[in-house]
Amino acid sequence: QVQLQESGPGLVKPSETLSLTCTVSGYSISNNFYWGWVRQPPGEGLEWVGSISHSGSTYYKSSLKNRVTISRDTSKNQFSLKLSSVTATDTAVYYCLRGTMTTNPSSFDYWGQGTLVAVSS
Amino acid sequence: QSVLTQPPSVSGAPGQRVTIFCTGSSSNIGAGYDVHWYQQLPGTAPKPLIYGNNNRPSGVPDRFSGSKSGTSASLAITGLQAEDEADYYCQSYDTSLSDVVFGGGTKLTVL
Repeated sequence: QVQLQESGPGLVKPSETLSLTCTVSGYSISNNFYWGWVRQPPGEGLEWVGSISHSGSTYYKSSLKNRVTISRDTSKNQFSLKLSSVTATDTAVYYCLRGTMTTNPSSFDYWGQGTLVAVSS
Repeated sequence: QSVLTQPPSVSGAPGQRVTIFCTGSSSNIGAGYDVHWYQQLPGTAPKPLIYGNNNRPSGVPDRFSGSKSGTSASLAITGLQAEDEADYYCQSYDTSLSDVVFGGGTKLTVL
């Protein structure tokens, strides 16, 4: 059974960098699929943040491209999100997920439970 | 404002059928990109409901079905049950934005 679990600080100060890690169990992130992040501001809809492929190629939301980095550590079967220069508008529940390779675009077939990150001084 | 437009809310009585539309354009759904649907129960992570326009993941009841035509897609739910009360999101890709995009979400209320 594939499982994803987000971890990281729940509170980040404005202008600092948000850092989250997703630990995957039940499947190797090196074996096919995309691995990515979607966020959801409180009371709002879903927003794709970005993805990393099994080979390490990265794809980012256009409006976040200058601030976001997704990386992976295959030895730990983890991938990570860094979002720099955060403001209150980055406050959201952040979900890590797995994206399929059989559709265009990927559908997201496994999701973490989500972690709330608040940006506040 | 999302490039995929969904009605903010729909409602129906138990046992009835409801349809949620996801309206796009020639730069997303109309360009041939697949549409996926997710169900989000209160306080939980989204759950995949339909992938590749009309395919159900294992375990999703056949009361849920998806379709796509032109620049729009739809999710139909038949035999409404109280447990179907949730938020529903469509997802596709937009070439103008070069982004994966979600619809704004639709809240389904079972009367």
